[in-house]
Amino acid sequence: AQSVTQLGSHVSVSEGALVLLRCNYSSSVPPYLFWYVQYPNQGLQLLLKYTSAATLVKGINGFEAEFKKSETSFHLTKPSAHMSDAAEYFCAVSEPANYGGSQGNLIFGKGTKLSVKP
Amino acid sequence: EAQVTQNPRYLITVTGKKLTVTCSQNMNHEYMSWYRQDPGLGLRQIYYSMNVEVTDKGDVPEGYKVSRKEKRNFPLILESPSPNQTSLYFCASSPAGTGELFFGEGSRLTVL
Repeated sequence: AQSVTQLGSHVSVSEGALVLLRCNYSSSVPPYLFWYVQYPNQGLQLLLKYTSAATLVKGINGFEAEFKKSETSFHLTKPSAHMSDAAEYFCAVSEPANYGGSQGNLIFGKGTKLSVKP
Repeated sequence: EAQVTQNPRYLITVTGKKLTVTCSQNMNHEYMSWYRQDPGLGLRQIYYSMNVEVTDKGDVPEGYKVSRKEKRNFPLILESPSPNQTSLYFCASSPAGTGELFFGEGSRLTVL
């Protein structure tokens, strides 16, 4: 069974500081991995996704994530935080269809709320 | 404009009064899903559908029903709502096999 663990339900950084949001996954087959962002009073939107190509994935708004199989991790980073990055971030995992998974079916972590201080 | 539309956006109801939350997408997506979001619990999947007439239970299906008679619509039915179904509900859709979900803006339901 797949699962996702996001370390830290709240993370606070200063504007201009490095953002690091942690995600560890569990999957019996090579997974597809995703980061979604939820701004206040909105639905979620896709930030980036990993589907077994390059291990370093670049997303929107300057975010990127690195797939590390040995650590079963997919941490999200951004070199310099901006006030507009304040939101809740969700890591998600799915199993590709060629491994018997329902490829569109995502399992989400519990989310990490990012605060950015001026 | 490509979008997932949910209605109603806000609803206060009473225990036992049947209600339906509608979800419609205009992107011709095969896959649709319902989630509920509760503080500290993240998003939990209620039901999903891989295509028309194909639905399956997610992690928390108790007390909910769905149907997928048309590709664009995926309504969520609460036959007899209870207070523990007070939550923020999201509908999402994606093209088959991508996992790239497009979310609606959410429906905040309160059951008294």
